[in-house]
Amino acid sequence: QKEVEQNSGPLSVPEGAIASLNCTYSDRGSQSFFWYRQYSGKSPELIMSIYSNGDKEDGRFTAQLNKASQYVSLLIRDSQPSDSATYLCAVKEEYGNKLVFGAGTILRVKS
Amino acid sequence: EAGVVQSPRYKIIEKKQPVAFWCNPISGHNTLYWYLQNLGQGPELLIRYENEEAVDDSQLPKDRFSAERLKGVDSTLKIQPAELGDSAVYLCASSWRNNEQFFGPGTRLTVL
Repeated sequence: QKEVEQNSGPLSVPEGAIASLNCTYSDRGSQSFFWYRQYSGKSPELIMSIYSNGDKEDGRFTAQLNKASQYVSLLIRDSQPSDSATYLCAVKEEYGNKLVFGAGTILRVKS
Repeated sequence: EAGVVQSPRYKIIEKKQPVAFWCNPISGHNTLYWYLQNLGQGPELLIRYENEEAVDDSQLPKDRFSAERLKGVDSTLKIQPAELGDSAVYLCASSWRNNEQFFGPGTRLTVL
């Protein structure tokens, strides 16, 4: 099975700072990438999808993709305590269309 | 628009008992997924349906797990008999043509 790797954290940032979450993947042919947010005891919630190299911005969130380096990241600007959650990176395999998830990075935003 | 609906939200059973989970996807979504999530891990795909056809069930432990989506809308996942190691959260997700997936609230299963 293809692998998706994330630093488990916890990543602690002060309120108002930029949180940077990183993800690497093994399937070089993958074309679709997703970030999910999961609060404790809740199910994953889709927050960003990205398909092309470069940056994609949506409000305080920016997803960055570098297919040559097999690297995708999520930046959260002006972090708020409500952003404290586990962030899951998910990569769709080139063949079979299976979505493979990383184990997630725990983010803690301190007020 | 209503999201993915799952029931029950919680289930506690003794080992060797059967258990079933139900999922109703977002209206119009033809692709339905069942995932298993263990604590501290990402979701792992058990089975994917496109309409009523199971197109990927390679990760479904077929000796004890079964699933159906007879009319291509709602789906049921069954475990019989349950084992201690089956304790986990069972998530259902849906999408239109295997694009962005949206998850239901999940069912937390505890096997005693």
